[in-house]
Amino acid sequence: KAGVTQTPRYLIKTRGQQVTLSCSPISGHRSVSWYQQTPGQGLQFLFEYFSETQRNKGNFPGRFSGRQFSNSRSEMNVSTLELGDSALYLCASSVGQVIGELFFGEGSRLTVL
Amino acid sequence: QKEVEQNSGPLSVPEGAIASLNCTYSDRGSQSFFWYRQYSGKSPELIMSIYSNGDKEDGRFTAQLNKASQYVSLLIRDSQPSDSATYLCAGKAAGNKLTFGGGTRVLVKP
Repeated sequence: KAGVTQTPRYLIKTRGQQVTLSCSPISGHRSVSWYQQTPGQGLQFLFEYFSETQRNKGNFPGRFSGRQFSNSRSEMNVSTLELGDSALYLCASSVGQVIGELFFGEGSRLTVL
Repeated sequence: QKEVEQNSGPLSVPEGAIASLNCTYSDRGSQSFFWYRQYSGKSPELIMSIYSNGDKEDGRFTAQLNKASQYVSLLIRDSQPSDSATYLCAGKAAGNKLTFGGGTRVLVKP
């Protein structure tokens, strides 16, 4: 069974640009969560989707957005990039509605110059 | 105060010893707790989940939950160098949001 797939794995952007990250969950998993990981702040929750509906959102500015498609694939977008957005963005999927037992992808490492 | 707190470490243990990791949480509504292991440069992987007070054992790992005292712990018995990693504690409260602690770095020395 294939794991969670995130693309792209690495990307470099400049301030003011926007970026879209993609996540394909494990087959059969309907819930997708996104996290930002930085050395200083650790793992911080961005948002979580189940059946195309955003069920939870973390404390991030509106520049961070996401969506989930009918096939459970998810994308997140960051607009007007800032230097502080440099981080590892992790996507995780789980089977059902109960969040906790997550399977993480390898992440997308974003560097903002 | 962070919702889930862990000692950042590093926790240095000799090979074969027991590593004891602790996690405290502030939200009394938290019902479920999870331990993830993250190797350097890799993504987190789930190693234990615990939902009720008491102990839960899985191989060399034992998770302990005490809701009255609001702490969760993880014991790693017979620690191996391959256990060297950062261990993340996570709690889920009502509203289905999972909150992670900052992680404890464990170093197992041969």
